[in-house]
Amino acid sequence: QKEVEQDPGPLSVPEGAIVSLNCTYSNSAFQYFMWYRQYSRKGPELLMYTYSSGNKEDGRFTAQVDKSSKYISLFIRDSQPSDSATYLCAMRGGYQKVTFGIGTKLQVIP
Amino acid sequence: NAGVTQTPKFRILKIGQSMTLQCAQDMNHNYMYWYRQDPGMGLKLIYYSVGAGITDKGEVPNGYNVSRSTTEDFPLRLELAAPSQTSVYFCASSFPGTGFSEAFFGQGTRLTVV
Repeated sequence: QKEVEQDPGPLSVPEGAIVSLNCTYSNSAFQYFMWYRQYSRKGPELLMYTYSSGNKEDGRFTAQVDKSSKYISLFIRDSQPSDSATYLCAMRGGYQKVTFGIGTKLQVIP
Repeated sequence: NAGVTQTPKFRILKIGQSMTLQCAQDMNHNYMYWYRQDPGMGLKLIYYSVGAGITDKGEVPNGYNVSRSTTEDFPLRLELAAPSQTSVYFCASSFPGTGFSEAFFGQGTRLTVV
């Protein structure tokens, strides 16, 4: 079993839809949870960074962490064609190095 | 600020050749990293550095070497290139306070070994 599981997609949604992206993990030591966005042929860029459980909102993006279920989510409201990218979840515990998911490819259709 | 700059963007190497992937950052970050990204495998950490003169192995260091003589530069050396090293390589950097979490990535180097 991989430490971090992420469905690679692709996920296609119409413009304006609410998008839900998810990751599950097996390491209970993970405390810090990140979401990165990666456009085609570009480097990843950090979108959201949360510590422990709970929700964090930033504009149209909401990150949710459920440590009891070892499940994290990224919601995108009012999705736009410019949101089309691959979304990587990432997580770490303490001073440990980051473990990345394989990424979910999202396509928002105008 | 240019952020994290990687050169070259693309390179084709023959088996057994060597090369150095360059990485420079102008944000005065102490922490720097090298990752490789392969389809369906996610980002894997090759080497990292927490400051000038200090480097350590990541998850997949075999076949690579690094050095960190300045805060700004963190080159990755491939000796005796093999087809298994065909990948996209990303350099990243971060503030010490955020550790490995809030990394700024470069644009990547696409390497093909034939």
